[in-house]
Amino acid sequence: SQELEQSPQSLIVQEGKNLTINCTSSKTLYGLYWYKQKYGEGLIFLMMLQKGGEEKSHEKITAKLDEKKQQSSLHITASQPSHAGIYLCGAIASGGSYIPTFGRGTSLIVHP
Amino acid sequence: ETGVTQSPTHLIKTRGQQVTLRCSSQSGHNTVSWYQQALGQGPQFIFQYYREEENGRGNFPPRFSGLQFPNYSSELNVNALELDDSALYLCASRYGPGLYEQYFGPGTRLTVT
Repeated sequence: SQELEQSPQSLIVQEGKNLTINCTSSKTLYGLYWYKQKYGEGLIFLMMLQKGGEEKSHEKITAKLDEKKQQSSLHITASQPSHAGIYLCGAIASGGSYIPTFGRGTSLIVHP
Repeated sequence: ETGVTQSPTHLIKTRGQQVTLRCSSQSGHNTVSWYQQALGQGPQFIFQYYREEENGRGNFPPRFSGLQFPNYSSELNVNALELDDSALYLCASRYGPGLYEQYFGPGTRLTVT
């Protein structure tokens, strides 16, 4: 079965700082989802990446899929308190179903 | 805000009881997946429905069952509740069973005492 590791597990930054969250898979990636979750709430869709080294940006968040490294990174530029929450990646392995396996998440706190 | 809705928001049940959770998929989405999320963990896949047929199942016992209706809404049923079933249950929908954007509902918090 696919294993997914997110790093770091938690992150505390000062407002305005840039940060990166990584998601590493034990299997070759076909696609990957990034979500944000507030405690006890549903997952908010951020972006979906497809194989081929796809990179997407939305407002101050950029994510890229690197199949060779079996990894995706999510980068936040000039962080704001509104970026605080738990970031989850859901990976889809090549050759399998299109059902994502999720990591445990990265908890982000942004201090004003 | 997505078009995926779930009910109820919260639920408290006693061990051994049965529970039904409901999900309405986003308009145009025929594929619905259910996940269980324990505290501090990522969502764990329970099963998926595509056009009223189950077409994927995670490592959950048979007492977790589901249905999808012609309007693509879905139910998750759990029999013989155990304390470990306490979790946030999430429903997600997408356009089809392939690689499409997947949107989650707000979840149902189930507490088993």
